[in-house]
Amino acid sequence: DAGVIQSPRHEVTEMGQEVTLRCKPISGHNSLFWYRQTMMRGLELLIYFNNNVPIDDSGMPEDRFSAKMPNASFSTLKIQPSEPRDSAVYFCASSLGLEDTDTQYFGPGTRLTVL
Amino acid sequence: RKEVEQDPGPFNVPEGATVAFNCTYSNSASQSFFWYRQDCRKEPKLLMSVYSSGNEDGRFTAQLNRASQYISLLIRDSKLSDSATYLCVALVYGNKLVFGAGTILRVKS
Repeated sequence: DAGVIQSPRHEVTEMGQEVTLRCKPISGHNSLFWYRQTMMRGLELLIYFNNNVPIDDSGMPEDRFSAKMPNASFSTLKIQPSEPRDSAVYFCASSLGLEDTDTQYFGPGTRLTVL
Repeated sequence: RKEVEQDPGPFNVPEGATVAFNCTYSNSASQSFFWYRQDCRKEPKLLMSVYSSGNEDGRFTAQLNRASQYISLLIRDSKLSDSATYLCVALVYGNKLVFGAGTILRVKS
């Protein structure tokens, strides 16, 4: 069975450019999470959706970041304009729902480098 | 203060050793706890859930002490393949996970 799929796996861009990260959750999962991992701050939750609706975006660092989930099988995280401090690994995760027992399964991540 | 704190290590142990990791959490409203494992340049994967009564999965034992807000992971008979970063995780609400910074384990032959 396919797990969480993320694209691209690696992205190198220049400061000021728009970056779009993509995620396909596991089929049948109703909840989707975007995380960012850096050496300094570790793994942080940015935003999560349930049934395609954003539930909590308090982790989104600033207005340059936006996320959408137009349907149950696709989500995007967009950074516009990008800055060098946005360089990190961005993970998408999905779960059946929001119960404590609903395990989150992570995708392989997108390694973003902003020059 | 971070919500979930761990000793970053690294813990360097020989094969066959027993090693223990500890973790503390500050949010008393945290409902559930987990240990995730992350290999170098890979995604985190759930290792095990942590219950107050303690739970065991093969060579791994996890324990939760709510009174002290303390979580532990014990690995017995360490294998080379156990080398990884172990992330202590608290579930706050609505399946919202808060991750510790991770503890690095290196098992050497």
